[in-house]
Amino acid sequence: NAGVTQTPKFQVLKTGQSMTLQCAQDMNHNSMYWYRQDPGMGLRLIYYSASEGTTDKGEVPNGYNVSRLNKREFSLRLESAAPSQTSVYFCASSGVRGGYDSEQFFGPGTRLTVL
Amino acid sequence: GNSVTQMEGPVTLSEEAFLTINCTYTATGYPSLFWYVQYPGEGLQLLLKATKADDKGSNKGFEATYRKETTSFHLEKGSVQVSDSAVYFCALSGEWGAQKLVFGQGTRLTINP
Repeated sequence: NAGVTQTPKFQVLKTGQSMTLQCAQDMNHNSMYWYRQDPGMGLRLIYYSASEGTTDKGEVPNGYNVSRLNKREFSLRLESAAPSQTSVYFCASSGVRGGYDSEQFFGPGTRLTVL
Repeated sequence: GNSVTQMEGPVTLSEEAFLTINCTYTATGYPSLFWYVQYPGEGLQLLLKATKADDKGSNKGFEATYRKETTSFHLEKGSVQVSDSAVYFCALSGEWGAQKLVFGQGTRLTINP
């Protein structure tokens, strides 16, 4: 099992460019998440998908869109990148819907720089 | 809303020293509490968890006890190793049905030989 995979690992964009970050999991998990990690701020939830066919905003959704393509894949799109979106992006998944204590499994991250 | 406050870092210790990283939380309801660890260049991985008051989570020599009366979940290890150098995140999950996690800001730990 590969777990949670993310592509690309690194990306440099110019202000105004668009891109899509890809995430896939092979653990048959129902729920998937996108976080951003900034120095001194921990991880902040951007969007999540509790199950296939549903998506909801997290703490910091502005400037992003998501697509839950199928049960395995959950993509994050930046339509018009801004320097404030320079960050490390993590995708995660979890298996239990409706419970409190399900472990989240994280991908290796995508380091994005917007110039 | 729910929040997690962690001890400010960075923390630097010598090998075999005793480690404590403080974590306190604010939450409604009955959250589960987690410690995640992030090694350099990697994603986060679960270190331990506790799902109700007075539970003790433990893994790889690390322990943390869910203290409802002090709203705390401090991470401890009796004798740290160089390989424990990483960033540690305290988190809580308090919302039924979505498993959304709220993270603390992280504490960078460096262990010197």
